[in-house]
Amino acid sequence: GAVVSQHPSRVICKSGTSVKIECRSLDFQATTMFWYRQFPKQSLMLMATSNEGSKATYEQGVEKDKFLINHASLTLSTLTVTSAHPEDSSFYICSARADTQIYEQYFGPGTRLTVT
Amino acid sequence: GEDVEQSLFLSVREGDSSVINCTYTDSSSTYLYWYKQEPGAGLQLLTYIFSNMDMKQDQRLTVLLNKKDKHLSLRIADTQTGDSAIYFCAESMGTYKYIFGTGTRLKVLA
Repeated sequence: GAVVSQHPSRVICKSGTSVKIECRSLDFQATTMFWYRQFPKQSLMLMATSNEGSKATYEQGVEKDKFLINHASLTLSTLTVTSAHPEDSSFYICSARADTQIYEQYFGPGTRLTVT
Repeated sequence: GEDVEQSLFLSVREGDSSVINCTYTDSSSTYLYWYKQEPGAGLQLLTYIFSNMDMKQDQRLTVLLNKKDKHLSLRIADTQTGDSAIYFCAESMGTYKYIFGTGTRLKVLA
């Protein structure tokens, strides 16, 4: 149980285009999901907290107009990187917190974004 | 502040014990976690400990928590080559968001 999937696992896009990454909780409901960014050989940096049915809460320094988050259902959150630039290239990881176990987060396998 | 520090590298021989250390600064943490990340993959939860506990053991894994010194450690007994990975500690704050440590790269030598 407690599986989180991400799609796509890898994506390459051109500068100026937008890319959507999906995060799904497969066997549990998650009112809250989190989006992280990880640079090579570095730790995870929390970008935003995604809440079903309401606006996401962004961490300081994260541009909400660039990283659009939509949490439309209890099992799906999406992160759209708009007008992507090469510096947006990174590993994006989502996690989901089960409504019944608020102290645990289950992580997706990550999405490798490369902007050319 | 919200800093979680770990040593960057650890190398051990197969069969030995590994001890990965973590220090944190926020005494209001409720839960502390250990995650494992293999190359190109997401994070796998290994174990976690509630802040009012001193120790937790789960098969080959032993977690020790020293709240006074804000120090957390993960001991892996009988380390195997499959344990080679990056290990992250994380603390959970009152808002349930996680602050991750810098990660320790464990290399197990055959």
